[in-house]
Amino acid sequence: GAGVSQSPSNKVTEKGKDVELRCDPISGHTALYWYRQRLGQGLEFLIYFQGNSAPDKSGLPSDRFSAERTGESVSTLTIQRTQQEDSAVYLCASSLDGQLDQPQHFGDGTRLSIL
Amino acid sequence: LAKTTQPISMDSYEGQEVNITCSHNNIATNDYITWYQQFPSQGPRFIIQGYKTKVTNEVASLFIPADRKSSTLSLPRVSLSDTAVYYCLVGRLNNDMRFGAGTRLTVKP
Repeated sequence: GAGVSQSPSNKVTEKGKDVELRCDPISGHTALYWYRQRLGQGLEFLIYFQGNSAPDKSGLPSDRFSAERTGESVSTLTIQRTQQEDSAVYLCASSLDGQLDQPQHFGDGTRLSIL
Repeated sequence: LAKTTQPISMDSYEGQEVNITCSHNNIATNDYITWYQQFPSQGPRFIIQGYKTKVTNEVASLFIPADRKSSTLSLPRVSLSDTAVYYCLVGRLNNDMRFGAGTRLTVKP
């Protein structure tokens, strides 16, 4: 079956521009997660959705970052006024219902480069 | 906050068994232990998950002692294609949860 899909796969933009990153989770998965992975480093958790709600947004790095999810499906991560330190791979994952025994299924990420 | 600690890197040779240990001293009662594999330019891929004792699937085994303060991922007879970064994750995601830096496994011919 189809896995988690992210678009675009690569994005290059100038400092100060806004970017939108899209995630299409596995159909029927109610839990959705966003992570950031800087070059050579581990995954940094950003935000978690259960359905269309994000119970805790405090993991977002700054107020330039926002995320939404609609229809318990697609999610968009928006970064406003991008900075060079935002350069990273942004990964999305989904799981069946967010319960502790449900593994996460990851997309291959969006590689964001800020010039 | 269930912080995990893993070795930064490991080397092995084809055909050997590889054991990667993760320490998670303050694991909570309800936490599960999950291992992921990541290749360059790809997202992490689920390998195995367990709560206690031993779990085995077609690719790996996971050993968890009674106190659950550590876990060991065992990869039998590794091949060159097992060269990757392996992450241990404990518990549920929230803003305090982090994947560690992972263990970079290099399999040599």
